[in-house]
This record gives sequence, structure tokens and C-alpha cells, in this order.
Amino acid sequence: EAGVTQFPSHSVIEKGQTVTLRCDPISGHDNLYWYRRVMGKEIKFLLHFVKESKQDESGMPNNRFLAERTGGTYSTLKVQPAELEDSGVYFCASSQEGDRKNEKLFFGSGTQLSVL
Amino acid sequence: RKEVEQDPGPFNVPEGATVAFNCTYSNSASQSFFWYRQDCRKEPKLLMSVYSSGNEDGRFTAQLNRASQYISLLIRDSKLSDSATYLCVVNRPMDSSYKLIFGSGTRLLVRP
Repeated sequence: EAGVTQFPSHSVIEKGQTVTLRCDPISGHDNLYWYRRVMGKEIKFLLHFVKESKQDESGMPNNRFLAERTGGTYSTLKVQPAELEDSGVYFCASSQEGDRKNEKLFFGSGTQLSVL
Repeated sequence: RKEVEQDPGPFNVPEGATVAFNCTYSNSASQSFFWYRQDCRKEPKLLMSVYSSGNEDGRFTAQLNRASQYISLLIRDSKLSDSATYLCVVNRPMDSSYKLIFGSGTRLLVRP
């Protein structure tokens, strides 16, 4: 069974450009999360989808970030326009619908975003 | 102050050594606890959940002290393949749901 896949694995863009990251969760997983790790810091929550609905987007840094999950399958995270501080590793994770208290996440290998 | 605090390390130990990592969390409402492992340039992977009574999985033992808000991970008979960053993760109530909060990780280097 395929795990969580993310594309691209690396992206180097200039400040002001637009980048779109894609995540394909494990098939059948209703919960999909985006996280970000900035150099030297801890992994931080960005947002959570349940199927196609945004359950919690309290971690989104600002309105330059837009996440979608049309049809409740794959998700995209668009950054427009990108700023230098957006550089980091963007992880996607998924889990089955169920006990959120003891939830176990499966992570993708991440997208390393570098904004120059 | 971070909600989940870990010693960043690195812990540099010889093969066969026993090593322990500690983690503290500040939110007493935290409900469940985990250790994730992250290899260099890879994704985090769940290593084990941490239960109040303590739990063991092979060479790995996890302990939780709710009163002190302290979590530990003990690795016995370290292997070269144990070299990685170990992330302490807590799940706490947030609005009507839960949210995972990650520590910055403790780096372990096991040398031959």
C-alpha cells in the first residue's frame, strides 16, 4: 500500500513567486494535515482537513497560504507570493477517521521549499 | 517557553550503550503522548505511544509522569541504526478537537 506522497520533494523559487505543493494521503484516510518545519525550529501545525472540509486552519501563517482538498482526496498548498521566511520543510500527514485523542499520523517525506 | 521541551543534544554514544531522553510539556490538559523518530532528511515516523503505566517495545521503554508533566524514552543496547532525531509529541485538547504539539527533537548519534 502506498504511503503519503508529496510533490515536489524540493522547490527553489524567488521571493514573490508562487509555489504549489501537493499531497496524496494514504487511500481511505479522511484526515489530512499540513505541517511545517522551519530551520532549527519544531514541526508546527498549519491546518487540518476532514475529507474536503477545513476542520482547523488556525496554524496558517497568513493569507498568502491557501490550502485546498477538492473531492476529499489529494490536497494542495499554495504560497502566493512567497516570502523568504516561508522557507522550510512542508510535511503532509494523514490518518484514518477515528479516535483523535490517540491519533497516529503517517507522514509524507516532505517538500523542502527554499525562497531566495 | 515552548509547550514541549526537549534537550536538542546531540547525544553521542557507543554501540551497546543505554541512552535516555527526557521531555517536558507545559499544558496539563495534554491527553496522549508519543515518541516519533525522524531520520536525516526524512519524514517523522511513529516510534511508540507512551502510556501512564509505562510501556516497552523491544529495546525501547517509554515512561510518563503526569504529575511532573515529564516523558522519557530509554534505548538499551544502542545500534548504529538508532541514530536519528527523536521527537516528543503530545496531543492536547484544542477547541472541540485535539492537536499534536511537537518538540524540537533530540538528536542521537550512535558510533561504532
